[in-house]
Amino acid sequence: RKEVEQDPGPFNVPEGATVAFNCTYSNSASQSFFWYRQDCRKEPKLLMSVYSSGNEDGRFTAQLNRASQYISLLIRDSKLSDSATYLCVVKDTGGFKTIFGAGTRLFVKA
Amino acid sequence: GAVVSQHPSWVICKSGTSVKIECRSLDFQATTMFWYRQFPKQSLMLMATSNEGSKATYEQGVEKDKFLINHASLTLSTLTVTSAHPEDSSFYICSAAAGGASTEAFFGQGTRLTVV
Repeated sequence: RKEVEQDPGPFNVPEGATVAFNCTYSNSASQSFFWYRQDCRKEPKLLMSVYSSGNEDGRFTAQLNRASQYISLLIRDSKLSDSATYLCVVKDTGGFKTIFGAGTRLFVKA
Repeated sequence: GAVVSQHPSWVICKSGTSVKIECRSLDFQATTMFWYRQFPKQSLMLMATSNEGSKATYEQGVEKDKFLINHASLTLSTLTVTSAHPEDSSFYICSAAAGGASTEAFFGQGTRLTVV
């Protein structure tokens, strides 16, 4: 089993749609969680951290369920510019090892 | 956010030659640096983790004698691909962290290596 698993893509959605990505992790001792966005041929950039209480940043909402070892990202009112690959990222307890999920590709169409 | 500079951004080299990639944290001290490789349409794969002043820890399946990592200071880590072969052609990205579980990792711009 992979340490971090994400929904297989790609997701093709129209502008304005709501889309949700899921991610599961295998190490119950994992401590920190993030969603990164990666555009084609570019480095990943932090989208948002994920907290146990859940957090929201504009159209983006991230949630963490430690009991189920599950992370989610919800994007509301999708824009064309949201088209990218979204990476689920988990850090181990020491904070030194950062594990990436395989990524989920999102295409938002006009 | 913090800045991590990676150089070169792209390089073409002949089979059998070695290529060095530099990763610098410009405005913070990076106690830990990570090196990743990404093949087309695939996710980033962690190659190795290096802490300043100590030997790098390589992931399973990564040849330490082929991918030499040096982290001599808190602001610089280098990855040297030795005796490069066409199958080493890939996108290599470094990231740097100041340490601690909750700190964000900042990425370099990546290096696209093509071995001909």
